[in-house]
Amino acid sequence: KNEVEQSPQNLTAQEGEFITINCSYSVGISALHWLQQHPGGGIVSLFMLSSGKKKHGRLIATINIQEKHSSLHITASHPRDSAVYICAVRSTGNQFYFGTGTSLTVIP
Amino acid sequence: DVKVTQSSRYLVKRTGEKVFLECVQDMDHENMFWYRQDPGLGLRLIYFSYDVKMKEKGDIPEGYSVSREKKERFSLILESASTNQTSMYLCASSLVGSYGYTFGSGTRLTVV
Repeated sequence: KNEVEQSPQNLTAQEGEFITINCSYSVGISALHWLQQHPGGGIVSLFMLSSGKKKHGRLIATINIQEKHSSLHITASHPRDSAVYICAVRSTGNQFYFGTGTSLTVIP
Repeated sequence: DVKVTQSSRYLVKRTGEKVFLECVQDMDHENMFWYRQDPGLGLRLIYFSYDVKMKEKGDIPEGYSVSREKKERFSLILESASTNQTSMYLCASSLVGSYGYTFGSGTRLTVV
């Protein structure tokens, strides 16, 4: 049983499309992270959320604590957004749990 | 610009070899972590350290050990490498009381 579930696992989109990646978790959390991993392995932290919504450029992250659900949205997607997006939660017990990632390919 | 540096991007080692993976951070972070990442399994925590000379087992510590002699350096040691340790290894660090993480760029280890 995975404490963090992401969907979809793989996603292909045309350039310009609006993209949504979903994350559900089953533990009590103190924070949720969205991470981006480009080919070659490097991971970048995109957002850290404990409530509400955050926006950075074309990226928007939302979290609903009651429903234990978060979404990452990408507006006007671009081929450079192609990467693996990982949802991670820090539980109230101070453990980190990771989703298996969503592989996004944006086609020009 | 804050950095977590892993010494090698790619490594190929033979079965039975002792392997050292090095990670250095320049942010004065107390916490450091070693993860491995495998297709379909996501990131799994091997070991973490919350201070110099302190270490805690993560979810999959078997076959690994760690060393933290200085605050900025956290080493992962494969005592006797096996083929099932072929993986991407990621180091990360964070400040105590902070939820933010900084990751290294990863080391892809192949054990033949």
